[in-house]
Amino acid sequence: GEDVEQSLFLSVREGDSSVINCTYTDSSSTYLYWYKQEPGAGLQLLTYIFSNMDMKQDQRLTVLLNKKDKHLSLRIADTQTGDSAIYFCAEPRSGGATNKLIFGTGTLLAVQP
Amino acid sequence: DAGITQSPRYKITETGRQVTLMCHQTWSHSYMFWYRQDLGHGLRLIYYSAAADITDKGEVPDGYVVSRSKTENFPLTLESATRSQTSVYFCASSNAQGYNSPLHFGNGTRLTVT
Repeated sequence: GEDVEQSLFLSVREGDSSVINCTYTDSSSTYLYWYKQEPGAGLQLLTYIFSNMDMKQDQRLTVLLNKKDKHLSLRIADTQTGDSAIYFCAEPRSGGATNKLIFGTGTLLAVQP
Repeated sequence: DAGITQSPRYKITETGRQVTLMCHQTWSHSYMFWYRQDLGHGLRLIYYSAAADITDKGEVPDGYVVSRSKTENFPLTLESATRSQTSVYFCASSNAQGYNSPLHFGNGTRLTVT
């Protein structure tokens, strides 16, 4: 299908790990993004991964990529209340002279104290 | 560093009226984008622009018009607003294309069509 899919909601306790999953569509994507949206604000880039990587770690964040299944995941270790936000995965799609960034449906992460 | 600003922040309009959402960026980024955010759909691309006077349709362009006469401005016009256009609209820009040129987003305009 054309949609980049994510589960809508995830609830975790403070200090636990969070895993947010994404299924993308274009197997030729050379890189994939994770964006974070805090309440009342626009999206901000969290991290990215190249398609030739299986894993990328950046402090508390771990990105896993399974190209065969077109599955991307974001793991947040030691989740804090400040991590509560909507998380979007995104893939670039070529379209003429411009690569368009196509976003997933977003996962609302709620961190319980 | 003013970045990218959208106006108005909130707008209520009636069905059938024309409304224009403004987007202004101070970085001289070449690429600009308009997205709408709806629950269950995430962000969907409406229109985008690679440079001044170059625009193209995204995933959901029907009912919208854009222009880009100056690099820093990318207004989005709803020619005859419908209730289905009630949404949060985000403008974004980037200076290039590639993994190290992420999109920079404005804070959004919440539009309600009654």
